[in-house]
Amino acid sequence: GAGVSQTPSNKVTEKGKYVELRCDPISGHTALYWYRQSLGQGPEFLIYFQGTGAADDSGLPNDRFFAVRPEGSVSTLKIQRTERGDSAVYLCASSQGANTGELFFGEGSRLTVL
Amino acid sequence: AQSVAQPEDQVNVAEGNPLTVKCTYSVSGNPYLFWYVQYPNRGLQFLLKYITGDNLVKGSYGFEAEFNKSQSSFHLKKPSALVSDSALYFCAVRDHTDKLIFGTGTRLQVFP
Repeated sequence: GAGVSQTPSNKVTEKGKYVELRCDPISGHTALYWYRQSLGQGPEFLIYFQGTGAADDSGLPNDRFFAVRPEGSVSTLKIQRTERGDSAVYLCASSQGANTGELFFGEGSRLTVL
Repeated sequence: AQSVAQPEDQVNVAEGNPLTVKCTYSVSGNPYLFWYVQYPNRGLQFLLKYITGDNLVKGSYGFEAEFNKSQSSFHLKKPSALVSDSALYFCAVRDHTDKLIFGTGTRLQVFP
């Protein structure tokens, strides 16, 4: 399809494990964003990329969270030593440029840490 | 810091009646404001945005929003609600690093 694709759609893991979440943006979109959404809350910003570089990573909660976008397309969000509080839906979005404000979101990856 | 507030957790309206979902903002400088909608088990979808120009902005699915600088508001409106409009609605503001800051969301329930 032509939309933003996120995998896996659901991930259940145990406390302390390592998790990777993948985002495949719309082709040609230079900006890519990661948000986290907990139940009953709005999307919380984590990090965004302009091309290959992280333009703003101020939302990453701690050093257990890391994201990469090595070729300026697909991005991976990596969470080390997962904690129960990391359970949420992780949303990825892309846009043609960083300043349009019109983000195209994927359906999210639901992470459950037991 | 830029922020938006959505004072209502839920808005209930009868089908065919007008609807309003409220949003107020706090920004330094000119505000760039947005509305997104999230249907059940779907990703967020862009509805409309205000950057500059006319205070009344028209968007997708018959929605519109009114920018009011004196009241720091950007309320979402629709003249006649449909049951299919039932969803979660998020107001957002673009900050100085070009990322969007979202509100906590308002659940719209349209009753037949």
